[in-house]
Amino acid sequence: NAGVTQTPKFQVLKTGQSMTLQCAQDMNHNSMYWYRQDPGMGLRLIYYSASEGTTDKGEVPNGYNVSRLNKREFSLRLESAAPSQTSVYFCASSSTYTDTQYFGPGTRLTVL
Amino acid sequence: QKEVEQDPGPLSVPEGAIVSLNCTYSNSAFQYFMWYRQYSRKGPELLMYTYSSGNKEDGRFTAQVDKSSKYISLFIRDSQPSDSATYLCAMSEGDYKLSFGAGTTVTVRA
Repeated sequence: NAGVTQTPKFQVLKTGQSMTLQCAQDMNHNSMYWYRQDPGMGLRLIYYSASEGTTDKGEVPNGYNVSRLNKREFSLRLESAAPSQTSVYFCASSSTYTDTQYFGPGTRLTVL
Repeated sequence: QKEVEQDPGPLSVPEGAIVSLNCTYSNSAFQYFMWYRQYSRKGPELLMYTYSSGNKEDGRFTAQVDKSSKYISLFIRDSQPSDSATYLCAMSEGDYKLSFGAGTTVTVRA
Protein backbone atom coordinates (compact mmCIF):
# COMPACT_ATOMS: atom_id res chain seq x y z
CA ASN A 1 0.00 0.00 0.00
CA ALA A 2 2.01 2.96 -1.32
CA GLY A 3 -0.58 5.70 -0.71
CA VAL A 4 0.00 8.61 -3.11
CA THR A 5 2.95 8.39 -5.48
CA GLN A 6 4.32 11.12 -7.74
CA THR A 7 6.79 11.09 -10.61
CA PRO A 8 9.26 12.54 -11.24
CA LYS A 9 10.80 13.62 -7.92
CA PHE A 10 12.88 16.37 -9.51
CA GLN A 11 12.79 18.14 -12.88
CA VAL A 12 14.60 21.04 -14.50
CA LEU A 13 13.00 22.65 -17.55
CA LYS A 14 13.87 25.50 -19.83
CA THR A 15 11.34 28.28 -20.41
CA GLY A 16 8.82 27.17 -23.01
CA GLN A 17 9.30 23.44 -22.55
CA SER A 18 6.37 21.22 -21.63
CA MET A 19 6.06 18.36 -19.20
CA THR A 20 3.53 16.22 -17.37
CA LEU A 21 3.62 15.43 -13.67
CA GLN A 22 2.11 12.07 -12.80
CA CYS A 23 0.18 11.14 -9.67
CA ALA A 24 -1.39 7.85 -8.63
CA GLN A 25 -3.19 6.70 -5.48
CA ASP A 26 -4.04 3.18 -4.35
CA MET A 27 -6.53 4.06 -1.59
CA ASN A 28 -9.63 3.93 -3.83
CA HIS A 29 -10.23 7.64 -3.18
CA ASN A 30 -12.75 9.56 -5.23
CA SER A 31 -11.19 13.02 -5.02
CA MET A 32 -7.72 14.11 -6.14
CA TYR A 33 -5.93 17.45 -6.00
CA TRP A 34 -2.86 19.27 -7.30
CA TYR A 35 -1.17 21.92 -5.15
CA ARG A 36 1.90 24.06 -5.45
CA GLN A 37 3.96 25.14 -2.45
CA ASP A 38 6.04 28.30 -2.51
CA PRO A 39 8.00 29.89 0.37
CA GLY A 40 5.77 32.08 2.52
CA MET A 41 2.68 31.22 0.47
CA GLY A 42 1.57 27.92 1.92
CA LEU A 43 -0.11 25.34 -0.29
CA ARG A 44 -2.30 26.66 -3.09
CA LEU A 45 -4.76 24.55 -5.02
CA ILE A 46 -4.17 24.40 -8.78
CA TYR A 47 -6.86 21.94 -9.92
CA TYR A 48 -8.97 19.28 -8.33
CA SER A 49 -11.07 16.32 -9.43
CA ALA A 50 -14.08 15.51 -7.29
CA SER A 51 -14.55 12.16 -8.97
CA GLU A 52 -13.47 10.21 -12.01
CA GLY A 53 -14.42 12.14 -15.13
CA THR A 54 -14.62 15.60 -13.54
CA THR A 55 -12.01 18.33 -13.07
CA ASP A 56 -12.29 21.91 -11.82
CA LYS A 57 -10.05 24.92 -11.40
CA GLY A 58 -8.64 25.83 -8.03
CA GLU A 59 -7.02 29.03 -6.83
CA VAL A 60 -4.10 29.23 -9.30
CA PRO A 61 -4.97 27.29 -12.51
CA ASN A 62 -3.37 29.56 -15.14
CA GLY A 63 -0.64 27.84 -17.15
CA TYR A 64 -1.72 24.32 -16.17
CA ASN A 65 -4.00 21.58 -17.46
CA VAL A 66 -5.05 18.34 -15.83
CA SER A 67 -6.37 14.93 -16.79
CA ARG A 68 -8.16 12.48 -14.53
CA LEU A 69 -7.10 9.39 -16.44
CA ASN A 70 -9.04 6.95 -14.24
CA LYS A 71 -9.92 6.68 -10.55
CA ARG A 72 -6.29 6.11 -9.58
CA GLU A 73 -4.42 8.62 -11.71
CA PHE A 74 -4.46 12.42 -12.00
CA SER A 75 -1.86 14.19 -14.13
CA LEU A 76 -0.80 17.84 -14.27
CA ARG A 77 0.56 19.30 -17.50
CA LEU A 78 2.60 22.43 -18.07
CA GLU A 79 2.23 23.29 -21.76
CA SER A 80 4.81 26.09 -21.88
CA ALA A 81 6.79 26.34 -18.67
CA ALA A 82 7.64 29.74 -17.19
CA PRO A 83 10.10 30.65 -14.40
CA SER A 84 7.08 31.61 -12.22
CA GLN A 85 6.14 27.93 -12.22
CA THR A 86 9.27 27.01 -10.30
CA SER A 87 7.80 25.38 -7.21
CA VAL A 88 7.21 22.16 -5.34
CA TYR A 89 4.12 20.36 -6.61
CA PHE A 90 2.06 18.06 -4.41
CA CYS A 91 -0.68 15.69 -5.38
CA ALA A 92 -3.26 14.69 -2.76
CA SER A 93 -6.30 12.46 -2.55
CA SER A 94 -9.28 12.04 -0.26
CA SER A 95 -12.29 9.78 -0.02
CA THR A 96 -14.67 12.75 -0.11
CA TYR A 97 -14.39 16.52 0.26
CA THR A 98 -14.65 16.49 4.03
CA ASP A 99 -12.27 13.62 4.58
CA THR A 100 -8.56 13.77 5.22
CA GLN A 101 -6.39 14.66 2.27
CA TYR A 102 -3.35 12.42 1.91
CA PHE A 103 -0.34 13.95 0.18
CA GLY A 104 2.33 12.52 -2.06
CA PRO A 105 6.07 13.19 -1.61
CA GLY A 106 6.14 16.08 -4.10
CA THR A 107 7.89 17.03 -7.33
CA ARG A 108 10.52 19.78 -7.21
CA LEU A 109 10.36 21.70 -10.47
CA THR A 110 12.81 24.37 -11.58
CA VAL A 111 12.16 26.39 -14.73
CA LEU A 112 15.20 28.25 -16.04
CA GLN B 1 -5.21 40.12 3.86
CA LYS B 2 -4.69 36.37 3.71
CA GLU B 3 -7.63 34.15 4.62
CA VAL B 4 -5.42 32.20 7.06
CA GLU B 5 -2.57 33.80 8.96
CA GLN B 6 0.20 31.76 10.57
CA ASP B 7 3.42 33.04 12.13
CA PRO B 8 6.24 31.49 10.07
CA GLY B 9 8.65 31.43 13.01
CA PRO B 10 11.16 29.90 13.13
CA LEU B 11 10.54 28.55 16.60
CA SER B 12 13.37 26.87 18.53
CA VAL B 13 12.71 25.10 21.84
CA PRO B 14 14.68 22.74 24.11
CA GLU B 15 13.70 19.09 24.26
CA GLY B 16 10.86 18.51 26.70
CA ALA B 17 9.35 21.99 26.28
CA ILE B 18 5.77 22.69 25.26
CA VAL B 19 5.43 23.93 21.70
CA SER B 20 2.54 26.29 21.05
CA LEU B 21 1.44 27.03 17.49
CA ASN B 22 -1.50 29.05 16.29
CA CYS B 23 -3.40 30.36 13.30
CA THR B 24 -6.01 33.04 12.86
CA TYR B 25 -8.56 33.17 10.07
CA SER B 26 -11.11 35.55 8.63
CA ASN B 27 -13.72 33.26 7.07
CA SER B 28 -16.45 32.50 9.61
CA ALA B 29 -17.77 29.69 7.39
CA PHE B 30 -14.78 27.45 8.17
CA GLN B 31 -15.90 24.44 10.18
CA TYR B 32 -13.21 21.80 9.60
CA PHE B 33 -9.77 22.46 11.05
CA MET B 34 -6.58 20.50 10.52
CA TRP B 35 -2.93 20.51 11.46
CA TYR B 36 -0.39 18.94 9.11
CA ARG B 37 3.26 18.16 9.84
CA GLN B 38 5.79 18.43 7.04
CA TYR B 39 9.32 17.17 7.35
CA SER B 40 11.98 18.71 5.14
CA ARG B 41 11.57 17.68 1.50
CA LYS B 42 8.52 15.51 2.27
CA GLY B 43 4.80 15.82 1.73
CA PRO B 44 2.46 17.08 4.50
CA GLU B 45 0.95 14.44 6.77
CA LEU B 46 -2.17 14.93 8.84
CA LEU B 47 -1.67 15.30 12.59
CA MET B 48 -5.02 16.48 13.92
CA TYR B 49 -8.51 16.92 12.45
CA THR B 50 -11.28 18.69 14.34
CA TYR B 51 -14.79 19.75 13.49
CA SER B 52 -16.22 22.97 14.91
CA SER B 53 -15.06 24.39 18.26
CA GLY B 54 -13.44 22.63 21.21
CA ASN B 55 -10.38 20.61 22.12
CA LYS B 56 -9.04 17.36 20.79
CA GLU B 57 -6.17 15.41 22.29
CA ASP B 58 -4.05 12.69 20.71
CA GLY B 59 -1.07 11.57 22.73
CA ARG B 60 1.30 14.51 23.12
CA PHE B 61 -0.72 16.67 20.72
CA THR B 62 -3.69 18.89 21.59
CA ALA B 63 -5.66 20.91 19.07
CA GLN B 64 -7.93 23.75 20.13
CA VAL B 65 -10.49 25.61 18.05
CA ASP B 66 -12.13 28.87 19.14
CA LYS B 67 -14.57 29.82 16.41
CA SER B 68 -15.76 32.92 18.25
CA SER B 69 -12.23 34.35 18.10
CA LYS B 70 -11.40 32.71 14.73
CA TYR B 71 -8.30 31.19 16.30
CA ILE B 72 -6.88 27.68 16.34
CA SER B 73 -3.94 26.27 18.26
CA LEU B 74 -1.76 23.18 18.38
CA PHE B 75 0.17 22.24 21.52
CA ILE B 76 2.95 19.67 21.58
CA ARG B 77 3.84 18.43 25.06
CA ASP B 78 7.20 16.91 25.98
CA SER B 79 8.63 17.91 22.62
CA GLN B 80 11.23 15.65 21.02
CA PRO B 81 13.88 16.32 18.36
CA SER B 82 11.75 14.16 16.04
CA ASP B 83 9.04 16.87 16.28
CA SER B 84 11.32 19.24 14.35
CA ALA B 85 9.32 20.04 11.23
CA THR B 86 7.11 22.63 9.61
CA TYR B 87 3.55 22.67 10.93
CA LEU B 88 0.76 23.81 8.63
CA CYS B 89 -2.73 24.73 9.71
CA ALA B 90 -5.54 24.16 7.23
CA MET B 91 -9.25 24.75 7.27
CA SER B 92 -12.31 24.13 5.15
CA GLU B 93 -15.96 25.07 4.83
CA GLY B 94 -16.70 21.46 4.01
CA ASP B 95 -16.20 21.73 0.26
CA TYR B 96 -13.22 20.83 -1.93
CA LYS B 97 -11.06 23.77 -0.89
CA LEU B 98 -8.53 23.62 1.91
CA SER B 99 -7.08 26.98 2.92
CA PHE B 100 -3.58 26.61 4.34
CA GLY B 101 -1.44 28.79 6.54
CA ALA B 102 2.11 29.43 5.37
CA GLY B 103 3.53 27.07 8.00
CA THR B 104 5.63 27.46 11.17
CA THR B 105 9.08 25.88 11.25
CA VAL B 106 9.88 24.28 14.61
CA THR B 107 13.26 23.04 15.83
CA VAL B 108 13.49 21.01 19.04
CA ARG B 109 17.02 21.10 20.42
CA ALA B 110 18.38 17.97 22.09
